[in-house]
Amino acid sequence: DGGITQSPKYLFRKEGQNVTLSCEQNLNHDAMYWYRQDPGQGLRLIYYSQIVNDFQKGDIAEGYSVSREKKESFPLTVTSAQKNPTAFYLCASTEGQGWREQYFGPGTRLTVT
Amino acid sequence: AQSVAQPEDQVNVAEGNPLTVKCTYSVSGNPYLFWYVQYPNRGLQFLLKYITGDNLVKGSYGFEAEFNKSQTSFHLKKPSALVSDSALYFCAVRDPAGPGAGSYQLTFGKGTKLSVIP
Repeated sequence: DGGITQSPKYLFRKEGQNVTLSCEQNLNHDAMYWYRQDPGQGLRLIYYSQIVNDFQKGDIAEGYSVSREKKESFPLTVTSAQKNPTAFYLCASTEGQGWREQYFGPGTRLTVT
Repeated sequence: AQSVAQPEDQVNVAEGNPLTVKCTYSVSGNPYLFWYVQYPNRGLQFLLKYITGDNLVKGSYGFEAEFNKSQTSFHLKKPSALVSDSALYFCAVRDPAGPGAGSYQLTFGKGTKLSVIP
C-alpha cells in the first residue's frame, strides 16, 4: 500500500475512551491526511498536515485530534467527544505538487461499543 | 467549491463485457481528476489521473478514462471486465485554482460498487 503503514488493522474500544491510530510513511512526502470512511458516504477529510508541526482541520474534525512532530508520522486520536467513532480510518500522503496522486495506507477499522 | 458525483451506487456487468463507471465533477477552473479502486477492508489504490493533454487516459490493470470538459465528466472504462475487477471505485477531483489547492486536497465521490458476474 504505497509505503504507508497503519496500525493496528482492527481496534476495539469501550465508549468514553480515547484511542490513537498510527500512520507512518517512508515516502518522504510532505503532506499527510486522515479520512473517515462510512458505508455509502465515500471518504471524508478529518485533518491534514502540509509540513511538520502544522496541521489543519478538514470537514469533520470535531472529536478528533492530530499531531505532526515528525515528517514520517501523523497519528490520529479519536476522543470520547466523537459521537459516532465506529468507522474505517484511512491515512494518505502526497508529494507537495498539486498534480500528484495521494497514496493510501491499508486502513484501521475502529469499533467502539 | 469542488465536488464530484458518482451517480450509480452499483454497476453489474458480465465477465468479458465492457464496463463503465460514471463520474461527473464541478470545479471553478480546470480540474485534476483521479480514479481509485478499493478492495474489501483495504486502502485505496490509484488507477489513473487526468491533469492535462490527451482526453483519454490509460491506467493500471487495463483501465482507461475519458475526460469530457463540456459534459464535466470523467468516466472510467475497461473493454473487457474480469471477475477480479469487482471492487469499490472512487472518483476524486482537485481544483488547482480553488481554496484548497495549496493543501492538495482531494474531494471524493461516494463510490460505485462494481460487480462482475462470471
